[in-house]
Amino acid sequence: QLQLVESGGGVVQPGRSLRLSCTASGFSLSSSTMHWVRQAPGKGLDWVAGLSYDGTIIQYADSVKGRFTISRDNSNNTLYLQMNSLRAGDTAVYFCVRRTTWGYYFDLWGQGTLVTVSS
Amino acid sequence: DNQMTQSPSTLSASVGDRVIITCRASQSISTWLAWYQQKPGKAPKLLIYHMSTLQSGVPLRFSGSGTGTEFNLTISSLQPDDFATYFCQNYHVFGQGTRVEMK
Repeated sequence: QLQLVESGGGVVQPGRSLRLSCTASGFSLSSSTMHWVRQAPGKGLDWVAGLSYDGTIIQYADSVKGRFTISRDNSNNTLYLQMNSLRAGDTAVYFCVRRTTWGYYFDLWGQGTLVTVSS
Repeated sequence: DNQMTQSPSTLSASVGDRVIITCRASQSISTWLAWYQQKPGKAPKLLIYHMSTLQSGVPLRFSGSGTGTEFNLTISSLQPDDFATYFCQNYHVFGQGTRVEMK
């Protein structure tokens, strides 16, 4: 069964760091282009970062560039999002998503993990 | 950067109604558009991609259409399971969402 499971969310103080994990099952992350999308409470969807299947293309939203790092561990079939210098505006549910091979669409989503940045 | 603007932000409808949600792009995006459905507390679900192609398992009452800058998601006969929020998407950009609520 195809599945993405995120973990690592929680409450963190402004300026601190957090690392999110996303473990895939039923398919290999090494052959998939993966992204992180977030959703602030009661708000819409915001794309955060993306990593191509071969690791050659890494992209970030301007709002997180220089603070967040997307990476992947093929041996554990796990995607990561390292989040540094967190701000209150980063408070959101973070979804791990898989991009389709036939276009820039997201066909598989994890259940999301909530990150709350608060003092 | 391309902007995606959805309307309306909220839509009140009854079971059996025909519902149309519009998404406008600030520049032409050809047919590179997707629609997602999201229910409270759940992850979004891909409904339609390439503007009009139904994702596997999506009911035929959902359809997508449009031009290069204006797109519609149509639900031909609204069902109880369809009350949700709908988002359009092009590349990295999502519309702000349309909540379909019970009239």
